[in-house]
Amino acid sequence: DAKTTQPTSMDCAEGRAANLPCNHSTISGNEYVYWYRQIHSQGPQYIIHGLKNNETNEMASLIITEDRKSSTLILPHATLRDTAVYYCIVIYDGNQFYFGTGTSLTVIP
Amino acid sequence: DTGVSQDPRHKITKRGQNVTFRCDPISEHNRLYWYRQTLGQGPEFLTYFQNEAQLEKSRLLSDRFSAERPKGSFSTLEIQRTEQGDSAMYLCASSSLGWADSYEQYFGPGTRLTVT
Repeated sequence: DAKTTQPTSMDCAEGRAANLPCNHSTISGNEYVYWYRQIHSQGPQYIIHGLKNNETNEMASLIITEDRKSSTLILPHATLRDTAVYYCIVIYDGNQFYFGTGTSLTVIP
Repeated sequence: DTGVSQDPRHKITKRGQNVTFRCDPISEHNRLYWYRQTLGQGPEFLTYFQNEAQLEKSRLLSDRFSAERPKGSFSTLEIQRTEQGDSAMYLCASSSLGWADSYEQYFGPGTRLTVT
Protein backbone atom coordinates (compact mmCIF):
# COMPACT_ATOMS: atom_id res chain seq x y z
CA ASP A 1 0.00 0.00 0.00
CA ALA A 2 2.74 2.48 0.96
CA LYS A 3 3.80 4.18 -2.24
CA THR A 4 5.27 7.36 -0.73
CA THR A 5 7.90 8.29 1.83
CA GLN A 6 7.77 11.59 3.71
CA PRO A 7 9.75 12.99 6.64
CA THR A 8 7.88 12.67 9.91
CA SER A 9 8.16 16.32 10.87
CA MET A 10 9.54 19.67 9.72
CA ASP A 11 9.74 23.21 11.04
CA CYS A 12 9.55 26.40 9.04
CA ALA A 13 9.89 30.04 10.05
CA GLU A 14 6.85 32.20 9.48
CA GLY A 15 7.10 34.10 6.20
CA ARG A 16 9.64 31.73 4.72
CA ALA A 17 8.99 29.12 2.07
CA ALA A 18 8.12 25.66 3.32
CA ASN A 19 9.44 22.88 1.10
CA LEU A 20 7.92 19.48 1.84
CA PRO A 21 9.55 16.54 0.05
CA CYS A 22 7.98 13.25 -0.98
CA ASN A 23 9.60 10.19 -2.50
CA HIS A 24 7.51 7.97 -4.78
CA SER A 25 10.12 5.89 -6.56
CA THR A 26 7.66 3.21 -7.74
CA ILE A 27 5.21 5.61 -9.36
CA SER A 28 3.67 4.43 -12.63
CA GLY A 29 3.33 6.56 -15.72
CA ASN A 30 -0.39 7.16 -15.29
CA GLU A 31 -0.38 7.82 -11.55
CA TYR A 32 -1.01 11.30 -10.20
CA VAL A 33 0.64 12.93 -7.20
CA TYR A 34 -1.84 14.54 -4.81
CA TRP A 35 -1.16 16.68 -1.76
CA TYR A 36 -3.57 17.13 1.10
CA ARG A 37 -3.21 18.68 4.51
CA GLN A 38 -5.06 18.16 7.74
CA ILE A 39 -5.31 20.73 10.46
CA HIS A 40 -5.98 19.26 13.88
CA SER A 41 -9.45 17.76 14.26
CA GLN A 42 -10.58 18.81 10.77
CA GLY A 43 -11.08 16.82 7.57
CA PRO A 44 -8.22 16.68 5.07
CA GLN A 45 -8.02 19.63 2.71
CA TYR A 46 -7.08 19.26 -0.94
CA ILE A 47 -4.06 21.37 -1.90
CA ILE A 48 -2.84 20.47 -5.35
CA HIS A 49 -2.12 17.58 -7.69
CA GLY A 50 -0.08 16.88 -10.79
CA LEU A 51 0.95 14.25 -13.27
CA LYS A 52 4.17 15.26 -15.01
CA ASN A 53 4.40 19.03 -15.14
CA ASN A 54 4.93 21.41 -12.29
CA GLU A 55 1.71 22.95 -11.04
CA THR A 56 0.82 26.11 -9.15
CA ASN A 57 -2.38 27.34 -7.61
CA GLU A 58 -3.35 29.92 -5.03
CA MET A 59 -2.25 27.68 -2.17
CA ALA A 60 0.98 26.10 -3.28
CA SER A 61 3.35 24.91 -5.99
CA LEU A 62 4.08 21.30 -6.84
CA ILE A 63 7.45 20.45 -8.33
CA ILE A 64 7.76 16.96 -9.83
CA THR A 65 11.17 15.68 -10.86
CA GLU A 66 11.68 14.70 -14.47
CA ASP A 67 11.84 10.99 -13.60
CA ARG A 68 8.71 11.49 -11.42
CA LYS A 69 10.29 9.58 -8.54
CA SER A 70 9.96 12.48 -6.14
CA SER A 71 8.13 15.73 -5.69
CA THR A 72 8.17 18.82 -3.49
CA LEU A 73 5.25 20.82 -2.22
CA ILE A 74 6.14 24.48 -1.77
CA LEU A 75 4.19 26.86 0.42
CA PRO A 76 5.76 30.15 -0.69
CA HIS A 77 5.16 32.25 2.44
CA ALA A 78 4.27 30.03 5.36
CA THR A 79 1.91 31.39 8.00
CA LEU A 80 0.96 30.02 11.40
CA ARG A 81 -2.26 28.73 9.84
CA ASP A 82 -0.21 26.41 7.63
CA THR A 83 0.74 24.32 10.67
CA ALA A 84 -0.77 20.93 9.80
CA VAL A 85 -0.01 17.38 8.73
CA TYR A 86 0.74 17.22 5.00
CA TYR A 87 0.07 14.04 3.04
CA CYS A 88 1.57 13.08 -0.31
CA ILE A 89 -0.53 10.50 -2.17
CA VAL A 90 0.10 8.66 -5.42
CA ILE A 91 -2.97 7.27 -7.14
CA TYR A 92 -4.29 6.41 -10.58
CA ASP A 93 -8.01 6.99 -10.68
CA GLY A 94 -8.51 8.65 -7.34
CA ASN A 95 -10.63 6.12 -5.52
CA GLN A 96 -8.63 4.48 -2.76
CA PHE A 97 -6.33 7.15 -1.36
CA TYR A 98 -3.56 5.84 0.91
CA PHE A 99 -2.60 8.63 3.28
CA GLY A 100 0.23 7.16 5.37
CA THR A 101 1.32 9.25 8.36
CA GLY A 102 2.38 12.37 6.44
CA THR A 103 4.69 15.21 7.49
CA SER A 104 3.82 17.29 10.51
CA LEU A 105 4.74 20.86 9.59
CA THR A 106 5.14 23.40 12.37
CA VAL A 107 5.39 27.05 11.37
CA ILE A 108 7.35 28.94 13.99
CA PRO A 109 6.68 32.63 14.71
CA ASP B 1 -16.14 24.63 4.24
CA THR B 2 -15.79 22.18 1.35
CA GLY B 3 -19.52 21.67 0.85
CA VAL B 4 -19.46 18.13 2.25
CA SER B 5 -21.43 17.84 5.47
CA GLN B 6 -21.54 15.08 8.05
CA ASP B 7 -23.95 14.42 10.86
CA PRO B 8 -23.53 14.08 13.77
CA ARG B 9 -20.17 15.71 14.43
CA HIS B 10 -19.73 13.79 17.67
CA LYS B 11 -21.27 10.56 18.91
CA ILE B 12 -20.76 8.84 22.23
CA THR B 13 -22.23 5.38 22.52
CA LYS B 14 -21.97 2.36 24.75
CA ARG B 15 -20.34 -0.82 23.60
CA GLY B 16 -22.81 -3.07 21.82
CA GLN B 17 -25.06 -0.28 20.56
CA ASN B 18 -25.65 0.48 16.88
CA VAL B 19 -24.76 3.85 15.40
CA THR B 20 -25.48 5.47 12.06
CA PHE B 21 -23.68 8.39 10.45
CA ARG B 22 -24.82 10.48 7.52
CA CYS B 23 -22.83 12.20 4.79
CA ASP B 24 -24.15 14.75 2.31
CA PRO B 25 -21.70 15.20 -0.56
CA ILE B 26 -21.28 18.11 -2.92
CA SER B 27 -24.44 17.86 -5.02
CA GLU B 28 -22.91 17.28 -8.44
CA HIS B 29 -20.34 14.74 -7.25
CA ASN B 30 -20.97 11.17 -8.34
CA ARG B 31 -18.34 9.51 -6.12
CA LEU B 32 -18.58 9.25 -2.36
CA TYR B 33 -15.98 7.77 -0.02
CA TRP B 34 -15.77 6.74 3.62
CA TYR B 35 -12.55 6.73 5.62
CA ARG B 36 -11.67 6.03 9.23
CA GLN B 37 -8.96 7.83 11.14
CA THR B 38 -7.52 6.86 14.52
CA LEU B 39 -5.30 9.05 16.66
CA GLY B 40 -1.89 9.72 15.15
CA GLN B 41 -2.66 7.94 11.90
CA GLY B 42 -3.70 9.14 8.48
CA PRO B 43 -7.18 8.38 7.18
CA GLU B 44 -7.76 4.78 6.10
CA PHE B 45 -10.03 3.94 3.19
CA LEU B 46 -13.20 1.99 4.02
CA THR B 47 -15.41 2.04 0.94
CA TYR B 48 -16.60 4.12 -1.99
CA PHE B 49 -19.65 4.56 -4.18
CA GLN B 50 -20.07 5.68 -7.73
CA ASN B 51 -23.63 6.98 -7.85
CA GLU B 52 -25.62 4.37 -5.87
CA ALA B 53 -23.27 1.45 -6.56
CA GLN B 54 -20.79 0.43 -3.90
CA LEU B 55 -17.73 -0.40 -5.98
CA GLU B 56 -15.01 -1.16 -3.48
CA LYS B 57 -14.74 -2.19 0.15
CA SER B 58 -11.64 -2.35 2.30
CA ARG B 59 -10.86 -5.39 4.40
CA LEU B 60 -11.20 -2.94 7.32
CA LEU B 61 -14.94 -2.94 6.67
CA SER B 62 -16.00 -5.87 8.83
CA ASP B 63 -19.43 -7.50 8.72
CA ARG B 64 -20.58 -5.11 11.44
CA PHE B 65 -20.18 -2.17 9.06
CA SER B 66 -22.59 -1.37 6.28
CA ALA B 67 -22.78 1.62 3.97
CA GLU B 68 -25.51 2.72 1.64
CA ARG B 69 -26.11 5.44 -0.89
CA PRO B 70 -29.69 4.70 -1.92
CA LYS B 71 -30.34 7.40 -4.50
CA GLY B 72 -26.83 8.35 -5.38
CA SER B 73 -26.96 11.40 -3.18
CA PHE B 74 -26.40 11.20 0.59
CA SER B 75 -24.84 8.14 2.21
CA THR B 76 -25.10 6.42 5.57
CA LEU B 77 -22.54 4.35 7.43
CA GLU B 78 -23.89 2.02 10.10
CA ILE B 79 -21.85 0.21 12.70
CA GLN B 80 -23.64 -2.59 14.51
CA ARG B 81 -22.66 -3.90 17.94
CA THR B 82 -20.02 -1.24 18.43
CA GLU B 83 -16.71 -2.14 20.04
CA GLN B 84 -14.19 0.11 21.76
CA GLY B 85 -11.86 -0.38 18.81
CA ASP B 86 -14.41 1.39 16.62
CA SER B 87 -13.63 4.67 18.38
CA ALA B 88 -12.27 6.91 15.63
CA MET B 89 -13.01 9.82 13.35
CA TYR B 90 -15.16 8.75 10.39
CA LEU B 91 -14.58 10.91 7.36
CA CYS B 92 -16.65 11.26 4.22
CA ALA B 93 -15.39 12.66 0.94
CA SER B 94 -16.85 13.24 -2.49
CA SER B 95 -15.47 13.76 -5.95
CA SER B 96 -16.36 13.95 -9.61
CA LEU B 97 -14.36 13.64 -12.78
CA GLY B 98 -12.09 16.63 -12.67
CA TRP B 99 -9.10 18.05 -14.44
CA ALA B 100 -7.36 15.67 -16.85
CA ASP B 101 -9.25 12.58 -15.65
CA SER B 102 -8.27 13.18 -12.05
CA TYR B 103 -10.56 12.89 -9.07
CA GLU B 104 -9.63 15.25 -6.26
CA GLN B 105 -11.60 14.34 -3.16
CA TYR B 106 -13.24 16.93 -0.93
CA PHE B 107 -13.64 15.93 2.69
CA GLY B 108 -16.26 16.69 5.27
CA PRO B 109 -15.47 17.64 8.88
CA GLY B 110 -15.87 14.09 10.12
CA THR B 111 -17.89 12.34 12.82
CA ARG B 112 -15.95 11.54 15.96
CA LEU B 113 -17.18 8.31 17.53
CA THR B 114 -16.38 7.38 21.10
CA VAL B 115 -17.40 3.93 22.30
CA THR B 116 -17.44 3.57 26.08
